[in-house]
Amino acid sequence: EIVMTQSPATLSVSPGERATLSCRASQSVSSKLAWYQQKPGQAPRLLIYGASTRATGIPARFSGSGSGTEFTLTISSLQSEDFAVYYCQKYDNWPPSFGPGTKVDIK
Amino acid sequence: EVQLLESGGGLVQPGGSLRLSCAASGFTFSSYAMTWVRQAPGKGLEWVSGITGSGGSTYYADSVKGRFTISRDSSKNTLYLQMNSLRAEDTAVYYCTKDKSPLGPPSDCWGLGTLVTVSS
Repeated sequence: EIVMTQSPATLSVSPGERATLSCRASQSVSSKLAWYQQKPGQAPRLLIYGASTRATGIPARFSGSGSGTEFTLTISSLQSEDFAVYYCQKYDNWPPSFGPGTKVDIK
Repeated sequence: EVQLLESGGGLVQPGGSLRLSCAASGFTFSSYAMTWVRQAPGKGLEWVSGITGSGGSTYYADSVKGRFTISRDSSKNTLYLQMNSLRAEDTAVYYCTKDKSPLGPPSDCWGLGTLVTVSS
């Protein structure tokens, strides 16, 4: 079974700065990788799928890259509403497991 | 507008059973796979179970296999999760999600979740 890891566990960033989050799969998942954002007390929201395709309504400051085992979510200029926990999920086959998450908080 | 409304959560004793429901609206229900994802208090997301749009294939996490059953009723636009032999470690918010394809994830729409607490 493929194991997903994310780094760092916590990322402290100032508003307006760039944030780079990493996700790694223990085996290749091709480009079957999604990113979700979860704010406190809310359900997760799909940001990116297919490793690099933004979901409907997602601002252009969010971008995804990578394939195989190494993936990156970049937030080009952090806004106040972007402070949240971000999860990656692989969905090349079953089970479609999640990474442990990266919390982005205010520096 | 896509809407997913979970119900059926609550407090149950260890070894007990509970059935979660998810009423879906705003899309052609039978055209999309559906998924249950849970989140224990203060923890990350855990995929629990999925079912294809046709209902012909179902999938389970090892942690719930043999105890949980996912099903769907297209005449009622409703997704279900029958949970038996519940354990303390099943305590979590359970989210119903709509997937982007008829075959499975990613999940492009999430319900608000329903809390299941397993405790004596």
